[in-house]
Amino acid sequence: GAVVSQHPSRVICKSGTSVKIECRSLDFQATTMFWYRQFPKQSLMLMATSNEGSKATYEQGVEKDKFLINHASLTLSTLTVTSAHPEDSSFYICSARDFGTSGRDTQYFGPGTRLTVL
Amino acid sequence: GEDVEQSLFLSVREGDSSVINCTYTDSSSTYLYWYKQEPGAGLQLLTYIFSNMDMKQDQRLTVLLNKKDKHLSLRIADTQTGDSAIYFCAERASGYSTLTFGKGTMLLVSP
Repeated sequence: GAVVSQHPSRVICKSGTSVKIECRSLDFQATTMFWYRQFPKQSLMLMATSNEGSKATYEQGVEKDKFLINHASLTLSTLTVTSAHPEDSSFYICSARDFGTSGRDTQYFGPGTRLTVL
Repeated sequence: GEDVEQSLFLSVREGDSSVINCTYTDSSSTYLYWYKQEPGAGLQLLTYIFSNMDMKQDQRLTVLLNKKDKHLSLRIADTQTGDSAIYFCAERASGYSTLTFGKGTMLLVSP
């Protein structure tokens, strides 16, 4: 299957700093990428949909000024957590939508980024 | 809104078959997916099925879809300890790009 990478895999930062997470589709172009947040032992919570060349669409309750998303190319989307606080500590996972052959429409997920804010 | 339900836990012995069930409410679902998540990792796409299909088999995995009952199942034959993980069912409605996930089923395979 298609490969999606995330960087960094783990980050620890001080409260008040900003952290940028990158999501790349390595072997396909993704006009649409998604950012999720996952709490321990829980399902994924969709934060926003990122469309190449346009503004991201945020889910209800997600602060767009706090979670900045940029999707400047067909293979890269970034999520910046601004002025991070301990409650932002979580596992952040991105996915990329792949329109393959034979009508295939799937999302491939990155390996996730563990953010810990001290 | 859309809702996807899964049982939370399943325990089987190595070599047995595992069946993980999922129900969904959105009748316009076009694609249904099964993902696997191991501890500390992202989600791995296992398989998917179009809503106009009843069954799909891929090696040890068999997906059954009952569209009338809005019921999806994943059968893992000859379950191995390496299959221990959380399995998420997800659906995508017609005209939408986002997925709706179930809460995940933790599969524990004992030797």
